[in-house]
This record gives sequence, C-alpha cells and structure tokens, in this order.
Amino acid sequence: AQSVSQHNHHVILSEAASLELGCNYSYGGTVNLFWYVQYPGQHLQLLLKYFSGDPLVKGIKGFEAEFIKSKFSFNLRKPSVQWSDTAEYFCAVKARDTGRRALTFGSGTRLQVQP
Amino acid sequence: IAGITQAPTSQILAAGRRMTLRCTQDMRHNAMYWYRQDLGLGLRLIHYSNTAGTTGKGEVPDGYSVSRANTDDFPLTLASAVPSQTSVYFCASRQGAEAFFGQGTRLTVV
Repeated sequence: AQSVSQHNHHVILSEAASLELGCNYSYGGTVNLFWYVQYPGQHLQLLLKYFSGDPLVKGIKGFEAEFIKSKFSFNLRKPSVQWSDTAEYFCAVKARDTGRRALTFGSGTRLQVQP
Repeated sequence: IAGITQAPTSQILAAGRRMTLRCTQDMRHNAMYWYRQDLGLGLRLIHYSNTAGTTGKGEVPDGYSVSRANTDDFPLTLASAVPSQTSVYFCASRQGAEAFFGQGTRLTVV
C-alpha cells in the first residue's frame, strides 16, 4: 500500500520569503501526485497535480511542484509567500496500476505567514 | 454551483447515539469517498464507493457504515457514536484522478 510523508508539520514564514514543503511517497509503481490546500474553516482545494510529462508542474496562486521519481518526492514551492497563503497543505498520491482508486494523504503541513 | 453538499455543517452528539452524515453531489461522478481529518494525521479514508450499488472499506472503517443507493448520495452512518469519532468528516467525489471535496462536517461526540 502507498503512504505519504510530509516532514514539515508547522512552518512559519514572513511575507515574501520562499517556501518549500517536502513530500515523499512510498510506492514502487506509477502514481498521480497532488497538492491540496485547506484555508482556515474551508474544504480542501486542489493546488496542482502531476499525472505524466514535465515533472515541474505549475498550479494556482504561483505554486509549483517538482516530481523527482528517483527520490519519490513531490515538493511544493513558491518563490514569495503572501499572508493569504496561510493554510494547511496536504500532499496526496494515487497509485495508477492498482484497484485502489482513493487518494492517500499525508498528515499535512500548517503554514503560517506573518505580515 | 455544482459540487458536493454535506449536512450538517457541525453537530454535537451524545455518545451512544446514532448519526447519519449526509453527502450529495451533482457532478454525476461515479466514485465517492468519506474521509476523517484529525490533527497530525491528515485525512484518512473511512469508506468508499466506486459506483452506485457498491461500497468498500478504507483505512479506518470500524464504527461506520455507508450506502450508495444512487449516484448522487453517499451517507455515512455512525451506529453508536463514541468520543474517538470526534473529527471533521469530508465527503469527496472523483472525476478521473482528481478528487473534489465537500465543506466538511465537524462532529463532536461527548
């Protein structure tokens, strides 16, 4: 079964600082990868996704993520964070070559951006 | 606006009581899911349904049941609530590989 690890549980940054949130997954086969964001009091929204092709994917609000297959990683980045990026971020994986169709989520990273 | 509707948005429930969390989608997605979200644990899959008429168990199914009588509705039932079921519950549907989430139900079992 696949699993997802997010190593940063709580990150505090100042506005304009650069962001990188780590995500590693364990699964030997082909995967789809996702980052979801949950703003305070809201439901999860898709930030970006990787299915195939260019390993550097760009999402909404200036976020991007790079899939490094050899490292089983899919780290999320943003060059300059804003106060409005304060939220919880979840990495998720879906195995493509099994019958399991649900996403497996990491434990989440709480990002706090200070003005 | 198309999407997933969950009800209620929050509930305080006495231990031992039965409770059904409702989930309705209007996107005609075949696959639907129930997750619970707990601090430090992320989202964990409770039950899923790949299509109307079928259901399956996720990672943490104990104490929960689901039904899928039609494409749109996927209710989650707690037969006899316990305090450890205090959580935020999210319903989701899937189109292709992408999942869409409802607003969540915050359940407190006392």
